[in-house]
Amino acid sequence: KAGVTQTPRYLIKTRGQQVTLSCSPISGHRSVSWYQQTPGQGLQFLFEYFSETQRNKGNFPGRFSGRQFSNSRSEMNVSTLELGDSALYLCASSDQHREEETQYFGPGTRLLVL
Amino acid sequence: KNEVEQSPQNLTAQEGEFITINCSYSVGISALHWLQQHPGGGIVSLFMLSSGKKKHGRLIATINIQEKHSSLHITASHPRDSAVYICAVGGGDSGGGADGLTFGKGTHLIIQP
Repeated sequence: KAGVTQTPRYLIKTRGQQVTLSCSPISGHRSVSWYQQTPGQGLQFLFEYFSETQRNKGNFPGRFSGRQFSNSRSEMNVSTLELGDSALYLCASSDQHREEETQYFGPGTRLLVL
Repeated sequence: KNEVEQSPQNLTAQEGEFITINCSYSVGISALHWLQQHPGGGIVSLFMLSSGKKKHGRLIATINIQEKHSSLHITASHPRDSAVYICAVGGGDSGGGADGLTFGKGTHLIIQP
């Protein structure tokens, strides 16, 4: 099976712009989680989607949003970008919406906000 | 909210040494994950533990639920083991799992030839 893919891999934006990142999970996986990784805060949970429904959301402002399509592909959107949004954004997929599930991570999208 | 602490933060060792990385957490969980991240960002899931011990090749992971502690061991370490090792917890009362994983800050491991 193909692994988790994320597009684009690198992105440069300016403050105030918005950005959309895409994640394609492993075939058959229905759960997609998004994470932000920064040098200062490390890895932080953004949100999780399962069968097109947002199941959980981390402690991030409303500028961060996402959605999941019927084929389990997911997108996350960040509006009104701030310098502090520069980070590596990772998505991970798993078969079920259970904490005991192994998560399979994509390569990440590295976002730089200028 | 669960607090996840890893130690050491940085570790440099010689090839062949036995490596131990520790992870402790503050609130009961359903599962603990050990992740490996190489330069460039890609993350690989090494283990998912809910109790006891797991072994895969030269890697061994243990968890003590009562003490809220887990260890990752690497036997016969090799330079290709150089990476950041991250502990993550989920489920239970941690706010993870159903609320997403909570991560430690990671241990930067360098194995010198």
